[in-house]
Amino acid sequence: SAVISQKPSRDICQRGTSLTIQCQVDSQVTMMFWYRQQPGQSLTLIATANQGSEATYESGFVIDKFPISRPNLTFSTLTVSNMSPEDSSIYLCSVEPPTQSDGYTFGSGTRLTVV
Amino acid sequence: GNSVTQMEGPVTLSEEAFLTINCTYTATGYPSLFWYVQYPGEGLQLLLKATKADDKGSNKGFEATYRKETTSFHLEKGSVQVSDSAVYFCATNTGFQKLVFGTGTRLLVSP
Repeated sequence: SAVISQKPSRDICQRGTSLTIQCQVDSQVTMMFWYRQQPGQSLTLIATANQGSEATYESGFVIDKFPISRPNLTFSTLTVSNMSPEDSSIYLCSVEPPTQSDGYTFGSGTRLTVV
Repeated sequence: GNSVTQMEGPVTLSEEAFLTINCTYTATGYPSLFWYVQYPGEGLQLLLKATKADDKGSNKGFEATYRKETTSFHLEKGSVQVSDSAVYFCATNTGFQKLVFGTGTRLLVSP
């Protein structure tokens, strides 16, 4: 299965600023996914990022707040813009499995605290 | 759309106790089912999976059987250890669509 390197692993940011999270995959993948895990909650999909096209956002998430780049088949970034304390969460990237019967692989996550 | 319901936690057990974490799903088509584990301060790791009815996924002493008749995928372990303390997520998908997660169940194992 793919190996994902995600960084930063954690950050403390001032409100009103932006943070860009990076995910690097050790193999080419068509679909990458970005999730948010709010404190004590489950994972919620933010958007699906395909190389060469705009990301597809889930209900409740907008591009202005969470712009995503997907410049090639091994890399993606998620930016959390104009942050507020409510954005304090763990953000995780994931990639599609090689076959339907394989599990999805996740990055180690970025723990964001907005003060 | 697909959804997953899992039992609320926390589940508190003594070491060597038997563990069951219930998970039921609703889905169209032929979903795959997964259990993921999140250890304190870490990301998600795939624990086990099953891709069709009656399949049994197993790993690290944990097991779960894909029961289509009861739309369930309960996680079990015969003898838990302190190191099993974590949050466990049941999840489902269909094809290459996004994963849908349950709310997670925190397991606390005391010595």
